[in-house]
Amino acid sequence: DVVMTQSPLSLPVTLGQPASISCRSSQSLVHSDGNTKLSWFQQRPGQSPRRLIYRVSNRASGVPDRFSGSGSGTDFTLKISRVEAEDVGVYYCMQGTHWPPTFGGGTKVEIK
Amino acid sequence: QVQLQQSGPGLVKPSETLSLTCAISGDSVSTDSAAWNWIRQSPSRGLEWLGRTYYRSRWNNEYAGSVRSRITINPDTSRNQFSLQLNSVTPDDTAVYYCVRGWIGDGWDVWGQGTTVTVSS
Repeated sequence: DVVMTQSPLSLPVTLGQPASISCRSSQSLVHSDGNTKLSWFQQRPGQSPRRLIYRVSNRASGVPDRFSGSGSGTDFTLKISRVEAEDVGVYYCMQGTHWPPTFGGGTKVEIK
Repeated sequence: QVQLQQSGPGLVKPSETLSLTCAISGDSVSTDSAAWNWIRQSPSRGLEWLGRTYYRSRWNNEYAGSVRSRITINPDTSRNQFSLQLNSVTPDDTAVYYCVRGWIGDGWDVWGQGTTVTVSS
């Protein structure tokens, strides 16, 4: 299975400041159809995960534009341009290129 | 707005069968534009995709290798819902179970509320 490695494990951030989360895959995530099937999810405390980004950089419906995704091949990044209090939670990357789909271990974002 | 409502017992005995149901509103289990998945989350395993069912001229089921010998996901078109059965459970199957709509390649866009299932005698 493809291993997804996230860093850092924990990310203390000051309100209004940017945040960046890294996700690396053990294999290239470029699918044979040309798409790169890398998604990001947010899980707020006590809630179900919520899709933020799909196919590397496409924001899901209703996701604020302060969230952005980038990357290619095996290296990907989720950025929050200005962290707000509601952004506290755990963020997961997930690959859907190789079978079976696999998740990263998560990055916990907290307010300093 | 699509919503998924989960139901099922929160406690299952070792060696017995875990059964959960996911009722769909705002969409159809028979749609050819979505798949219906089960995902679980535990401290030891993290987030783990278990399997899916979807309709493309016929019903298709696909399962993760880690549970393939023990899992069944079935659609119920009369009730517009789908179910998860996991046989011969052990304490390692203790987790929060989510039903989820969507395609793997695009992430999953609608999640149920989650059901905490504990395997214990």
